Amino acid sequence: GAVVSQHPSRVICKSGTSVKIECRSLDFQATTMFWYRQFPKQSLMLMATSNEGSKATYEQGVEKDKFLINHASLTLSTLTVTSAHPEDSSFYICSAIGVIRNTEAFFGQGTRLTVV
Amino acid sequence: QKEVEQNSGPLSVPEGAIASLNCTYSDRGSQSFFWYRQYSGKSPELIMFIYSNGDKEDGRFTAQLNKASQYVSLLIRDSQPSDSATYLCASVGGATNKLIFGTGTLLAVQP
Repeated sequence: GAVVSQHPSRVICKSGTSVKIECRSLDFQATTMFWYRQFPKQSLMLMATSNEGSKATYEQGVEKDKFLINHASLTLSTLTVTSAHPEDSSFYICSAIGVIRNTEAFFGQGTRLTVV
Repeated sequence: QKEVEQNSGPLSVPEGAIASLNCTYSDRGSQSFFWYRQYSGKSPELIMFIYSNGDKEDGRFTAQLNKASQYVSLLIRDSQPSDSATYLCASVGGATNKLIFGTGTLLAVQP
């Protein structure tokens, strides 16, 4: 099956710093990538939808200036958490839908962010 | 109303039994439906997707879709303790073309 690689898998950062998370589709071109956040024992909450070459669409309540998303190519999307705070600590997961196999969505391994 | 709804469970079944997981969705324009399994602390892994009315079988798993009733289900035959996890139902398409998840159902298979 298609592979989506997300990096890093785990990061600890100091409060006030920024963290960049990368999501790459390794063997297919991703027309759309989704970014989710998951708090313990809760479901995946969609943060934003990212289409290649255009601005991301953010869900209500998600600050676009805090969670910067860039989808510069059909194989790479990045999420930057700016000026991170402890309440941003969560599990961040990306998902990609392909150009041809657009009926399937594949997930990255997730990034566990801890802000101290 | 949530776009995708699931019973949070836990659903407990004995080993070897059939586990039945259910999901309803509100957007009639939704086109594709997915079942994911998620172990604690891990990313979801795709089990099946379905976009046509009826049943779709893959090994021990059968997905069922009823667009008239806006209902999707997943049957797991011969349940194993290793099937114990949270099962997430998701839909894509419709008005927003977003991949939206339900809250997940926790399945516990008792040895």
